[in-house]
Amino acid sequence: ETGVTQTPRHLVMGMTNKKSLKCEQHLGHNAMYWYKQSAKKPLELMFVYSLEERVENNSVPSRFSPECPNSSHLFLHLHTLQPEDSALYLCASSQDRAVAGGMGEQFFGPGTRLTVL
Amino acid sequence: LAKTTQPISMDSYEGQEVNITCSHNNIATNDYITWYQQFPSQGPRFIIQGYKTKVTNEVASLFIPADRKSSTLSLPRVSLSDTAVYYCLVGRSSASKIIFGSGTRLSIRP
Repeated sequence: ETGVTQTPRHLVMGMTNKKSLKCEQHLGHNAMYWYKQSAKKPLELMFVYSLEERVENNSVPSRFSPECPNSSHLFLHLHTLQPEDSALYLCASSQDRAVAGGMGEQFFGPGTRLTVL
Repeated sequence: LAKTTQPISMDSYEGQEVNITCSHNNIATNDYITWYQQFPSQGPRFIIQGYKTKVTNEVASLFIPADRKSSTLSLPRVSLSDTAVYYCLVGRSSASKIIFGSGTRLSIRP
């Protein structure tokens, strides 16, 4: 148990569906992340939020829409996905140490296994 | 952002010490070196972080030479449960762009 929860754990959706992934952290961190991990591929950073402001968007297609209403919650809204979007979606949080230096340890949730039919 | 290079895979046996080396020739002055472990269908888990020389915690040691262009993660007396993918990251801020790379797939045999 890392203090980061994700729901749902598994999701199957059609290409015309709209769904949302939810992430919640109970660690008091001020930065949250969405990663995508396709089969046998490295993790790809999708979005970074620091103090509820989006600071990084690695050219992710617009069919993925993040939302960070407060420092404890992060959503990933999904719309008209493609089969190649099937992957494990991981959420992480950390204490942003941009001022203090170093790289804050990231705590990952268990992930949502997404299958797009 | 410094790019890292690691062996794709490694094999070892229970009870052995395993050393995984990561190359990061373009590491910047303020960059830290961090290692994560990932089991199948789970999120990565932080192992250790260092800046220079040697860092040790309850699960691993991290050796960083003076030029900091490489680092070695040392796992003492591995067990079957250490079978996982190990990632080396280099950066200076958790909010900066982060690249995990391909990692090293470590397989431990009885």
